Amino acid sequence: NAGVTQTPKFQVLKTGQSMTLQCAQDMNHNSMYWYRQDPGMGLRLIYYSASEGTTDKGEVPNGYNVSRLNKREFSLRLESAAPSQTSVYFCASRFRGDNQPQHFGDGTRLSIL
Amino acid sequence: GESVGLHLPTLSVQEGDNSIINCAYSNSASDYFIWYKQESGKGPQFIIDIRSNMDKRQGQRVTVLLNKTVKHLSLQIAATQPGDSAVYFCAEKAGGSYIPTFGRGTSLIVHP
Repeated sequence: NAGVTQTPKFQVLKTGQSMTLQCAQDMNHNSMYWYRQDPGMGLRLIYYSASEGTTDKGEVPNGYNVSRLNKREFSLRLESAAPSQTSVYFCASRFRGDNQPQHFGDGTRLSIL
Repeated sequence: GESVGLHLPTLSVQEGDNSIINCAYSNSASDYFIWYKQESGKGPQFIIDIRSNMDKRQGQRVTVLLNKTVKHLSLQIAATQPGDSAVYFCAEKAGGSYIPTFGRGTSLIVHP
Protein backbone atom coordinates (compact mmCIF):
# COMPACT_ATOMS: atom_id res chain seq x y z
CA ASN A 1 0.00 0.00 0.00
CA ALA A 2 2.36 2.72 -1.22
CA GLY A 3 -0.42 5.27 -1.95
CA VAL A 4 1.05 8.23 -3.86
CA THR A 5 4.76 7.98 -4.61
CA GLN A 6 6.81 10.94 -5.78
CA THR A 7 10.33 10.91 -7.14
CA PRO A 8 12.81 12.35 -6.55
CA LYS A 9 12.44 13.54 -2.95
CA PHE A 10 15.05 16.28 -3.34
CA GLN A 11 16.63 17.99 -6.35
CA VAL A 12 18.88 20.97 -6.97
CA LEU A 13 18.91 22.49 -10.45
CA LYS A 14 20.66 25.37 -12.13
CA THR A 15 18.63 28.08 -13.85
CA GLY A 16 17.69 26.96 -17.34
CA GLN A 17 17.96 23.23 -16.70
CA SER A 18 14.99 20.99 -17.35
CA MET A 19 13.54 18.32 -15.13
CA THR A 20 10.58 15.96 -14.83
CA LEU A 21 8.96 15.20 -11.50
CA GLN A 22 7.34 11.78 -11.35
CA CYS A 23 4.18 10.75 -9.54
CA ALA A 24 2.49 7.36 -9.37
CA GLN A 25 -0.52 6.14 -7.40
CA ASP A 26 -1.62 2.59 -6.75
CA MET A 27 -5.15 3.31 -5.49
CA ASN A 28 -6.87 3.12 -8.90
CA HIS A 29 -7.79 6.79 -8.59
CA ASN A 30 -9.20 8.61 -11.60
CA SER A 31 -8.03 12.17 -10.92
CA MET A 32 -4.51 13.42 -10.27
CA TYR A 33 -3.11 16.83 -9.30
CA TRP A 34 0.12 18.78 -9.02
CA TYR A 35 0.49 21.50 -6.37
CA ARG A 36 3.29 23.71 -5.21
CA GLN A 37 3.62 24.83 -1.61
CA ASP A 38 5.54 27.95 -0.67
CA PRO A 39 5.91 29.48 2.81
CA GLY A 40 2.87 31.57 3.66
CA MET A 41 1.13 30.74 0.36
CA GLY A 42 -0.56 27.45 1.07
CA LEU A 43 -1.17 24.89 -1.66
CA ARG A 44 -1.49 26.26 -5.19
CA LEU A 45 -2.75 24.09 -8.02
CA ILE A 46 -0.46 23.90 -11.06
CA TYR A 47 -2.24 21.35 -13.27
CA TYR A 48 -4.71 18.56 -12.82
CA SER A 49 -5.98 15.56 -14.73
CA ALA A 50 -9.63 14.78 -14.11
CA SER A 51 -9.27 11.40 -15.79
CA GLU A 52 -6.83 9.50 -17.95
CA GLY A 53 -6.39 11.33 -21.24
CA THR A 54 -7.27 14.81 -19.98
CA THR A 55 -5.24 17.60 -18.41
CA ASP A 56 -6.21 21.13 -17.40
CA LYS A 57 -4.47 24.22 -16.08
CA GLY A 58 -4.78 25.22 -12.49
CA GLU A 59 -4.00 28.47 -10.74
CA VAL A 60 -0.27 28.72 -11.55
CA PRO A 61 0.52 26.74 -14.76
CA ASN A 62 3.10 29.04 -16.36
CA GLY A 63 6.51 27.42 -16.74
CA TYR A 64 5.19 23.88 -16.34
CA ASN A 65 3.86 21.08 -18.50
CA VAL A 66 2.25 17.80 -17.51
CA SER A 67 1.67 14.37 -18.97
CA ARG A 68 -0.90 11.86 -17.81
CA LEU A 69 1.05 8.83 -18.94
CA ASN A 70 -1.60 6.28 -17.90
CA LYS A 71 -4.11 5.93 -15.09
CA ARG A 72 -1.35 5.50 -12.48
CA GLU A 73 1.19 8.12 -13.52
CA PHE A 74 1.14 11.90 -13.83
CA SER A 75 4.39 13.76 -14.46
CA LEU A 76 5.28 17.44 -14.12
CA ARG A 77 7.96 18.97 -16.34
CA LEU A 78 9.94 22.15 -15.93
CA GLU A 79 11.37 22.95 -19.36
CA SER A 80 13.65 25.82 -18.28
CA ALA A 81 13.84 26.10 -14.52
CA ALA A 82 13.78 29.52 -12.87
CA PRO A 83 14.60 30.47 -9.25
CA SER A 84 10.91 31.40 -8.76
CA GLN A 85 10.10 27.71 -9.18
CA THR A 86 12.00 26.82 -6.03
CA SER A 87 9.29 25.15 -3.97
CA VAL A 88 7.94 21.93 -2.54
CA TYR A 89 5.85 20.08 -5.11
CA PHE A 90 3.06 17.73 -4.11
CA CYS A 91 1.17 15.24 -6.20
CA ALA A 92 -2.31 14.15 -5.15
CA SER A 93 -4.94 11.75 -6.43
CA ARG A 94 -8.58 10.94 -5.73
CA PHE A 95 -11.49 8.91 -6.98
CA ARG A 96 -13.85 10.72 -9.31
CA GLY A 97 -17.02 11.71 -7.48
CA ASP A 98 -18.16 14.57 -5.38
CA ASN A 99 -17.32 13.37 -1.89
CA GLN A 100 -13.85 11.95 -2.30
CA PRO A 101 -10.78 13.37 -0.55
CA GLN A 102 -7.41 13.82 -2.18
CA HIS A 103 -4.49 11.71 -1.06
CA PHE A 104 -1.05 13.29 -1.21
CA GLY A 105 2.49 12.13 -1.72
CA ASP A 106 5.31 13.33 0.52
CA GLY A 107 6.58 15.89 -1.95
CA THR A 108 9.62 16.81 -4.01
CA ARG A 109 11.78 19.55 -2.57
CA LEU A 110 13.18 21.48 -5.53
CA SER A 111 15.81 24.22 -5.34
CA ILE A 112 16.83 26.23 -8.39
CA LEU A 113 20.02 28.21 -8.18
CA GLY B 1 12.29 19.70 8.50
CA GLU B 2 11.39 22.85 6.58
CA SER B 3 8.60 25.15 7.60
CA VAL B 4 5.48 24.53 5.56
CA GLY B 5 4.11 27.97 6.23
CA LEU B 6 5.40 31.20 7.68
CA HIS B 7 3.15 33.53 9.64
CA LEU B 8 0.46 30.91 10.06
CA PRO B 9 -2.05 31.24 12.87
CA THR B 10 -0.71 29.21 15.76
CA LEU B 11 -2.49 27.33 18.51
CA SER B 12 -0.41 26.24 21.51
CA VAL B 13 -1.86 23.72 23.94
CA GLN B 14 -0.71 21.47 26.75
CA GLU B 15 -0.64 17.73 26.30
CA GLY B 16 -3.98 16.29 27.37
CA ASP B 17 -5.98 19.42 26.60
CA ASN B 18 -8.66 19.50 23.93
CA SER B 19 -7.80 21.53 20.83
CA ILE B 20 -10.16 23.41 18.54
CA ILE B 21 -8.98 24.58 15.14
CA ASN B 22 -11.26 26.86 13.18
CA CYS B 23 -11.74 27.52 9.50
CA ALA B 24 -13.95 29.99 7.66
CA TYR B 25 -14.91 29.03 4.13
CA SER B 26 -16.02 31.35 1.40
CA ASN B 27 -18.12 29.52 -1.20
CA SER B 28 -21.82 29.08 -0.43
CA ALA B 29 -21.91 26.36 -3.07
CA SER B 30 -19.36 24.20 -1.23
CA ASP B 31 -20.93 20.96 -0.10
CA TYR B 32 -17.96 18.83 0.92
CA PHE B 33 -15.30 19.71 3.49
CA ILE B 34 -12.08 18.01 4.44
CA TRP B 35 -9.47 18.38 7.17
CA TYR B 36 -5.83 17.52 6.53
CA LYS B 37 -2.82 17.24 8.86
CA GLN B 38 0.64 18.07 7.57
CA GLU B 39 3.68 17.13 9.60
CA SER B 40 7.04 18.73 8.92
CA GLY B 41 8.65 17.29 5.79
CA LYS B 42 5.56 15.31 4.78
CA GLY B 43 2.55 15.70 2.55
CA PRO B 44 -0.95 16.57 3.77
CA GLN B 45 -2.67 13.56 5.33
CA PHE B 46 -6.46 13.12 5.24
CA ILE B 47 -8.01 13.21 8.73
CA ILE B 48 -11.77 13.48 8.38
CA ASP B 49 -14.41 14.82 6.03
CA ILE B 50 -18.00 15.99 6.26
CA ARG B 51 -20.79 16.55 3.75
CA SER B 52 -23.02 19.58 3.86
CA ASN B 53 -26.06 17.52 4.88
CA MET B 54 -24.38 16.89 8.24
CA ASP B 55 -23.54 19.21 11.16
CA LYS B 56 -21.14 16.93 13.00
CA ARG B 57 -19.00 13.92 12.32
CA GLN B 58 -16.77 12.03 14.72
CA GLY B 59 -13.66 9.98 14.18
CA GLN B 60 -11.06 8.62 16.53
CA ARG B 61 -10.27 11.53 18.91
CA VAL B 62 -11.40 14.04 16.27
CA THR B 63 -14.73 15.73 15.63
CA VAL B 64 -15.60 18.06 12.77
CA LEU B 65 -18.40 20.59 13.18
CA LEU B 66 -19.99 22.40 10.26
CA ASN B 67 -22.05 25.59 10.57
CA LYS B 68 -23.36 26.42 7.13
CA THR B 69 -25.19 29.52 8.32
CA VAL B 70 -21.95 31.34 9.08
CA LYS B 71 -19.76 29.27 6.73
CA HIS B 72 -17.59 27.93 9.53
CA LEU B 73 -15.83 24.64 10.04
CA SER B 74 -13.99 23.43 13.12
CA LEU B 75 -11.81 20.47 14.03
CA GLN B 76 -11.79 19.32 17.63
CA ILE B 77 -8.99 17.07 18.83
CA ALA B 78 -9.57 15.37 22.17
CA ALA B 79 -6.74 14.71 24.63
CA THR B 80 -4.15 16.33 22.38
CA GLN B 81 -0.81 14.54 22.20
CA PRO B 82 2.67 15.73 21.14
CA GLY B 83 2.25 13.66 17.97
CA ASP B 84 -0.65 15.91 17.01
CA SER B 85 1.76 18.82 16.50
CA ALA B 86 1.43 19.76 12.83
CA VAL B 87 -0.17 22.21 10.43
CA TYR B 88 -3.89 21.58 9.91
CA PHE B 89 -5.64 22.60 6.68
CA CYS B 90 -9.30 22.74 5.87
CA ALA B 91 -10.50 22.34 2.29
CA GLU B 92 -13.88 22.98 0.68
CA LYS B 93 -15.29 21.73 -2.60
CA ALA B 94 -18.42 22.52 -4.55
CA GLY B 95 -20.44 19.74 -6.09
CA GLY B 96 -19.37 18.88 -9.62
CA SER B 97 -15.97 20.52 -9.25
CA TYR B 98 -12.70 18.59 -9.37
CA ILE B 99 -10.85 21.33 -7.52
CA PRO B 100 -10.94 21.79 -3.75
CA THR B 101 -9.98 25.15 -2.24
CA PHE B 102 -7.49 24.94 0.61
CA GLY B 103 -7.17 27.24 3.59
CA ARG B 104 -3.72 28.50 4.59
CA GLY B 105 -3.58 26.33 7.66
CA THR B 106 -3.15 26.57 11.41
CA SER B 107 -0.04 25.43 13.22
CA LEU B 108 -0.81 23.33 16.31
CA ILE B 109 1.95 23.09 18.91
CA VAL B 110 1.48 20.62 21.74
CA HIS B 111 3.66 21.10 24.80
CA PRO B 112 4.47 18.01 26.89
